[in-house]
Amino acid sequence: DAGITQSPRHKVTETGTPVTLRCHQTENHRYMYWYRQDPGHGLRLIHYSYGVKDTDKGEVSDGYSVSRSKTEDFLLTLESATSSQTSVYFCAIRGTSGGVTNTGELFFGEGSRLTVL
Amino acid sequence: GDSVTQMEGPVTLSEEAFLTINCTYTATGYPSLFWYVQYPGEGLQLLLKATKADDKGSNKGFEATYRKETTSFHLEKGSVQVSDSAVYFCALSEEGNNRLAFGKGNQVVVIP
Repeated sequence: DAGITQSPRHKVTETGTPVTLRCHQTENHRYMYWYRQDPGHGLRLIHYSYGVKDTDKGEVSDGYSVSRSKTEDFLLTLESATSSQTSVYFCAIRGTSGGVTNTGELFFGEGSRLTVL
Repeated sequence: GDSVTQMEGPVTLSEEAFLTINCTYTATGYPSLFWYVQYPGEGLQLLLKATKADDKGSNKGFEATYRKETTSFHLEKGSVQVSDSAVYFCALSEEGNNRLAFGKGNQVVVIP
């Protein structure tokens, strides 16, 4: 158990409303990621963070913003949700071993299913 | 940029059959390669990995060998079970790169 909690797990909202998804981790990991999963596209990186207040864009960042004001929380915000943002969103953290950040091994949360009507 | 290509379409097979899922990659350097598995209603979890050429990753009866000459990392299992029904993702991470690039995934359905 990597100690990752996503909230909410399910949300239905209307087009044009703001939505914030939260990812909370309990193990003080430096790297955190937001992915979206869609049929036919697999997982695509939205944004990631490499420390408090340090974030960078992924391949599908348009329409999304993120914030990381403390190590344990990484927030994903849709300022004005659109139907194309209906998806399952996964948060992930990069694990460490012996104090060294592992190459590639990510631990995923259980996902947040967002439906935009 | 770095990318991973998985074979198209779902895979349906009978219990105890042999499973192969193809994965090829494009990378500029020497990536680490991974297979992740996603069971219904859950997040992804690491199944196995290989960090250099000719390494073989293995776990739960699954195996994959890092083939630099063919830029491949095919997943195999000799005798699948119904409990292996899941979506399988191939992924890579370049050294020094903090991102993981995923393939599109393959749905595997094992029929009793």
